[in-house]
Amino acid sequence: EAQVTQNPRYLITVTGKKLTVTCSQNMNHEYMSWYRQDPGLGLRQIYYSMNVEVTDKGDVPEGYKVSRKEKRNFPLILESPSPNQTSLYFCASTSGTGGEDSYGYTFGSGTRLTVV
Amino acid sequence: AQSVTQLDSQVPVFEEAPVELRCNYSSSVSVYLFWYVQYPNQGLQLLLKYLSGSTLVKGINGFEAEFNKSQTSFHLRKPSVHISDTAEYFCAVRRGGYSTLTFGKGTMLLVSP
Repeated sequence: EAQVTQNPRYLITVTGKKLTVTCSQNMNHEYMSWYRQDPGLGLRQIYYSMNVEVTDKGDVPEGYKVSRKEKRNFPLILESPSPNQTSLYFCASTSGTGGEDSYGYTFGSGTRLTVV
Repeated sequence: AQSVTQLDSQVPVFEEAPVELRCNYSSSVSVYLFWYVQYPNQGLQLLLKYLSGSTLVKGINGFEAEFNKSQTSFHLRKPSVHISDTAEYFCAVRRGGYSTLTFGKGTMLLVSP
């Protein structure tokens, strides 16, 4: 089954303790992206990656890092989490170009992060 | 830069009534338009998309949307809603040739008996 898998689904952590949220897709998509969802603000893009070793900032990158060493994986790293990073996080992927079916994004199930 | 405006943060409606959720976008180039639905405590599911061709797009669960280039709108409609349609709905736009998907702030559809 074509899917984007995020782990963990839920995470409670303390301020300053480094954490990584993993994201993996099995569709050979070039483009991957991280969003955070906050009430009343919709989904805002944190970082995206056009392909292996190619990443760039989205609208709200402060406090986050990403890496893209393999095509299928795109982890989100919070080196020193703070309470304002408490949010619902989504990973998504798309093939990026060509073909009607390629323009839609496939989303993971989300990771609910609480930083205390 | 592109932006998406969803004019209503909440839309309350009675079961079996029609509903329209409004979406306007700003972009100077051709765009691809999407509606996603998020049921409580779930991820995002694609409802429908406009890429090209007919401006009336039909999606899943009886929803449809109409692309209006002159008004830069992509409103979502359903002629008769069910309780199970209670969810948050997001409009999103993607520029031609670019892969970033920009979302609106969402509209919560509340269907009551």
